[in-house]
Amino acid sequence: EVQLVESGGGLVQPGGSLRLSCAASTFTFSTYNMNWVRQAPGKGLEWVSYISSRSSTIYYADSVKGRFTISRDNAKNSLYLQMNSLRDEDTAVYYCARDLGYTYGSDYWGQGTLVTVSS
Amino acid sequence: QSALTQPASVSGSPGQSITISCTGTSSDVGGYNYVSWYQQHPGKAPKLMIYDVSNRPSGVSNRFSGSRSGNTASLTISGLQAEDEADYYCSSYRSSSTLYVFGTGTKVTVL
Repeated sequence: EVQLVESGGGLVQPGGSLRLSCAASTFTFSTYNMNWVRQAPGKGLEWVSYISSRSSTIYYADSVKGRFTISRDNAKNSLYLQMNSLRDEDTAVYYCARDLGYTYGSDYWGQGTLVTVSS
Repeated sequence: QSALTQPASVSGSPGQSITISCTGTSSDVGGYNYVSWYQQHPGKAPKLMIYDVSNRPSGVSNRFSGSRSGNTASLTISGLQAEDEADYYCSSYRSSSTLYVFGTGTKVTVL
């Protein structure tokens, strides 16, 4: 069974930084495009960022552009999200999700990691 | 970066059919065959139910079906069951500097 396990969440002050990780297993990570999606408490899903299998194509939501950086290490089967200049509105559960590969949409999701931005 | 529009809530009795709409524009829902639907139970990660407008992943019940007309996509749940009570989100590829957009979400209640 495909496994995606996020880590790195926690409490951070406004203006601070945090790095999220997503460890992938039981599939060939290097051949799949990946996403980060977040969900603020009691709110809906918001797509955050996308990275292609070889890191050649990257997209960001306007709300995080210039502050967040997505990256991956295929040798370590890991996906990352470096979050800088964090704001209160970045408080959310952050999910990593695997793209279907041959089309758009995410077929497997991690359990999520909570990021709380508060003073 | 506006979200796709979904009704806040939809309800139905066991055995009935319900339909959730998802309205976008010609730059997303209406322009590409890349609409997906996700089910999310409280405290759980989303689950893919439909992709490419009307395709079901392996293991998803055939009670779930998707369609599209113009800029509006729809998810229909037939033979409603108690376990279908959850939040549902549509998502679409969007031709812009971003890539994906989600809908506002719909809470399905089984009466």
